[in-house]
Amino acid sequence: GAVVSQHPSRVICKSGTSVKIECRSLDFQATTMFWYRQFPKQSLMLMATSNEGSKATYEQGVEKDKFLINHASLTLSTLTVTSAHPEDSSFYICSASRSRVRSYNEQFFGPGTRLTVL
Amino acid sequence: AQSVAQPEDQVNVAEGNPLTVKCTYSVSGNPYLFWYVQYPNRGLQFLLKYITGDNLVKGSYGFEAEFNKSQTSFHLKKPSALVSDSALYFCAVRDVEDNAGNMLTFGGGTRLMVKP
Repeated sequence: GAVVSQHPSRVICKSGTSVKIECRSLDFQATTMFWYRQFPKQSLMLMATSNEGSKATYEQGVEKDKFLINHASLTLSTLTVTSAHPEDSSFYICSASRSRVRSYNEQFFGPGTRLTVL
Repeated sequence: AQSVAQPEDQVNVAEGNPLTVKCTYSVSGNPYLFWYVQYPNRGLQFLLKYITGDNLVKGSYGFEAEFNKSQTSFHLKKPSALVSDSALYFCAVRDVEDNAGNMLTFGGGTRLMVKP
């Protein structure tokens, strides 16, 4: 159990276009989802935390107007990179957690999406 | 604030030899500690976690880690390395008292190279 999928796994787009990445929890309800970004040979950087039905909480330095996050259901969160530029090229990974309450809840990670902006 | 340090960018070990990947952490309260493995162009795979209880935690693929509170460490170990263990390993911590809920902080990652 606790499988998280991401779609697409790879996307190549032209500069200036918008790209949507989906993150789905396949066999559990994810009240909280997280979006991470990973540059080559670097660690994961948390971009934002989203709770179902409420606005996402962005980490410092992450532009909320550029990285739109929607968590409209308990099994789906989307990240839209608006007006993408080459510097947005990165590996984006989502994770999902079963509960938002303050207790231990493991995060389950998706397989990642490789975004290349030309 | 919480932080994680993985002091080695890369660890090289011969197949069959024991391996250790180091991790130290800093939290204001008590930690939840995790190890993940990442293969090229893939997401993270969970290896093991320490929540409470026995300081020695056993996980997937023969890996284990020991929680040492006095040294604030959670080193990953395996008695006999396999070539297939070659990957990028991440240590992560979460403060039990984390009011934001479930936020993990990752170390910089350590690349493990196991040579035949």
